[in-house]
Amino acid sequence: DAGVIQSPRHEVTEMGQEVTLRCKPISGHDYLFWYRQTMMRGLELLIYFNNNVPIDDSGMPEDRFSAKMPNASFSTLKIQPSEPRDSAVYFCASRRGITVTDTQYFGPGTRLTVL
Amino acid sequence: QKEVEQDPGPLSVPEGAIVSLNCTYSNSAFQYFMWYRQYSRKGPELLMYTYSSGNKEDGRFTAQVDKSSKYISLFIRDSQPSDSATYLCAMRLRTGNQFYFGTGTSLTVIP
Repeated sequence: DAGVIQSPRHEVTEMGQEVTLRCKPISGHDYLFWYRQTMMRGLELLIYFNNNVPIDDSGMPEDRFSAKMPNASFSTLKIQPSEPRDSAVYFCASRRGITVTDTQYFGPGTRLTVL
Repeated sequence: QKEVEQDPGPLSVPEGAIVSLNCTYSNSAFQYFMWYRQYSRKGPELLMYTYSSGNKEDGRFTAQVDKSSKYISLFIRDSQPSDSATYLCAMRLRTGNQFYFGTGTSLTVIP
């Protein structure tokens, strides 16, 4: 398996622009997670899906952030409008199930810079 | 106060040294404790997990949990340059899907 795939790997945009991050989870994994990582705050959970349905979006910082999972093999995280404080590395992760032995596999991340 | 606290380092040790990485936490309801390793420009990967208190050993790595002190540790014996990475601790309640991560400790093992 190719693992979790994220695109783009790097994104540089200007404040106010719309940003869309993409994720393809590992086939057969029922759970998909979006995280944001910064030096100050570490790794923070933004939202997660189970069988394409959003379960917990309490970590989404503001209404400017939205996430969708139209099918089992694709998810997007959108920021509109983007702001400099959104600059971070955004990770997508997937898991087969919810037991502790179900490992969470992370993608390589998208490094977002908002100027 | 963050639920999980971790010293960011950086930590620099000579090859062959024993490394001790630590996290403290505030929520006594955490039941599952994990260590992730993150190489530069990569996503975190699970290194070890333990349930409740006690020790768990896997090769050169030992994870230790002290629930009474709300303190977990990861020991790396005979450290290698390939161990150079950021190590993140993570915790989970008995139920629920959310992982609570530390900010990570950057480790460099010098040949």
